Amino acid sequence: AQSVTQLGSHVSVSEGALVLLRCNYSSSVPPYLFWYVQYPNQGLQLLLKYTTGATLVKGINGFEAEFKKSETSFHLTKPSAHMSDAAEYFCAVTEPGGGNKLTFGTGTQLKVEL
Amino acid sequence: SAVISQKPSRDICQRGTSLTIQCQVDSQVTMMFWYRQQPGQSLTLIATANQGSEATYESGFVIDKFPISRPNLTFSTLTVSNMSPEDSSIYLCSVDHGVGAFFGQGTRLTVV
Repeated sequence: AQSVTQLGSHVSVSEGALVLLRCNYSSSVPPYLFWYVQYPNQGLQLLLKYTTGATLVKGINGFEAEFKKSETSFHLTKPSAHMSDAAEYFCAVTEPGGGNKLTFGTGTQLKVEL
Repeated sequence: SAVISQKPSRDICQRGTSLTIQCQVDSQVTMMFWYRQQPGQSLTLIATANQGSEATYESGFVIDKFPISRPNLTFSTLTVSNMSPEDSSIYLCSVDHGVGAFFGQGTRLTVV
């Protein structure tokens, strides 16, 4: 069985500061990992994904994440936060061949302050 | 990417009634997924819908409560039956488009 843990249900950063959203997973096999963003009253948008290959993955809007197998982590970062980044972020995992049956973390609400 | 349209976008329903949510995709897809997002919580997979076969439900979800149709490769419906206030959630349709699911805008359901 898979599970995803997102540390910190709420994260607040200043505009221009580093964004770090944490995600740890447990999986019996090397997983595929995803980060999604949900803006208020909208559906989920895929930010980035890791399947195989390079462990540092770049996504949209300046976000990136690094797959660290030894730490079972897939933390999301952005060097400089923008007000428009305020949203809820979900980490998700699926097993290869899982047909996109995603297991989601509980989400992290990012607040960006002036 | 895929464009996914869900209808209705929101609804307020009386307890004991049923609501059918439609999901239309702009391209043919093998699998479609229905998720529920309860207030303040993460997404939970309800079921997987394949065209031409019965939907596969996850633990805790049953066909009598959440019947699903998948008449073709671009369309699916989810019905929330005999609703109670505990069914108030956002229901999202998702499609498999390679690795990485795409989601509709969701249907925000409030049961009163």
